[in-house]
Amino acid sequence: EDQVTQSPEALRLQEGESSSLNCSYTVSGLRGLFWYRQDPGKGPEFLFTLYSAGEEKEKERLKATLTKKESFLHITAPKPEDSATYLCAVHRGGSEKLVFGKGTKLTVNP
Amino acid sequence: DTEVTQTPKHLVMGMTNKKSLKCEQHMGHRAMYWYKQKAKKPPELMFVYSYEKLSINESVPSRFSPECPNSSLLNLHLHALQPEDSALYLCASSQDPSRGGVAAFFGQGTRLTVV
Repeated sequence: EDQVTQSPEALRLQEGESSSLNCSYTVSGLRGLFWYRQDPGKGPEFLFTLYSAGEEKEKERLKATLTKKESFLHITAPKPEDSATYLCAVHRGGSEKLVFGKGTKLTVNP
Repeated sequence: DTEVTQTPKHLVMGMTNKKSLKCEQHMGHRAMYWYKQKAKKPPELMFVYSYEKLSINESVPSRFSPECPNSSLLNLHLHALQPEDSALYLCASSQDPSRGGVAAFFGQGTRLTVV
């Protein structure tokens, strides 16, 4: 069975304090790993897709990396507007489903 | 343009009402999805339409009835809901579902309250 585990559940940072969020996955035949950002009461906003181990993608202060067992979302010098819940999801070959992790709630204090 | 539009944004309905949620995308995506999300939980898949045909129903109660009139539109018809059905309902779409590994883009959701 496909499993996605995100850690930590919640993370508080001071503005400018860099850190990483983790997404560990168990899936047979990974076709894609996705990161989303979700603000309260809103739909998830697509950030990145990673397809194979060693791949990295960047967008502003965010950088996502992928290994065969996990993905990291690195946040460099975060700002309060980066506060949100970050969701990781995987797509297995032959399936039309996305399997989501439970998310990491990030709070960045000014 | 990666926009998925959902209406209404908020909906309050009684347990005997019939209402519909609507979703629209103009990205040429051939897969469309309904998700349900409760507070502090990840989105939970309800239905998948692939090339306008229902391909996945995650054992959703019959009081939820999906409809895909064409490749750009997706509806969710609601009837005789229970208070525990109150949640954020999300629509999403993605490109050719047979390719796999393609990102799903979400709408802003409909906040449904059943009273």
